[in-house]
Amino acid sequence: AQTVTQSQPEMSVQEAETVTLSCTYDTSENNYYLFWYKQPPSRQMILVIRQEAYKQQNATENRFSVNFQKAAKSFSLKISDSQLGDTAMYFCAFSPEGSGNTGKLIFGQGTTLQVKP
Amino acid sequence: NAGVTQTPKFRVLKTGQSMTLLCAQDMNHEYMYWYRQDPGMGLRLIHYSVGEGTTAKGEVPDGYNVSRLKKQNFLLGLESAAPSQTSVYFCASSRGTGWGEQYFGPGTRLTVT
Repeated sequence: AQTVTQSQPEMSVQEAETVTLSCTYDTSENNYYLFWYKQPPSRQMILVIRQEAYKQQNATENRFSVNFQKAAKSFSLKISDSQLGDTAMYFCAFSPEGSGNTGKLIFGQGTTLQVKP
Repeated sequence: NAGVTQTPKFRVLKTGQSMTLLCAQDMNHEYMYWYRQDPGMGLRLIHYSVGEGTTAKGEVPDGYNVSRLKKQNFLLGLESAAPSQTSVYFCASSRGTGWGEQYFGPGTRLTVT
């Protein structure tokens, strides 16, 4: 079975500092996609960043970057220069590619991040 | 564009009652999904659809039914609600490939007493 594990239920960081959220996954697929979604208190799910498994280069979106280690099946999210608006729950998600791909996502349990002023 | 909308936003049901959650998207997306979110468990896929007139089971389909009669709408039904179905329900849509971003609705908080 394909699973996604986020081992940090809660984290906190001081404003302007850097924080890294961990995610590991288990799959026998060779090609797949990985995502980080943010869920602020408003409950709206927002895509933060995504990575294709066949690309070795780590994805970057402004202050957000990932450390993708395919062999270790690890996909961590680094937030630089943390802002109060980054306070949210963050979900790591996996989507397999291949025949019959339906685009469905498998989510981790989530990490609640609090940015302190 | 409204994106993905969900109706209703909140609902309280008594055990055994039935209801339908409506999801609508105006992005002409082929694929639509229903997830439920429970504390400590992330989002889990209930049912999904890869096109008008098609539906398929996800990870936790028991107790739910779905229909996709029109491309823009995806309905989730609870025939006989149970307290275990107390959750926040999210609808999402996408263009259809694994790379495609899923766009989520605002969620429906359902409480079954």
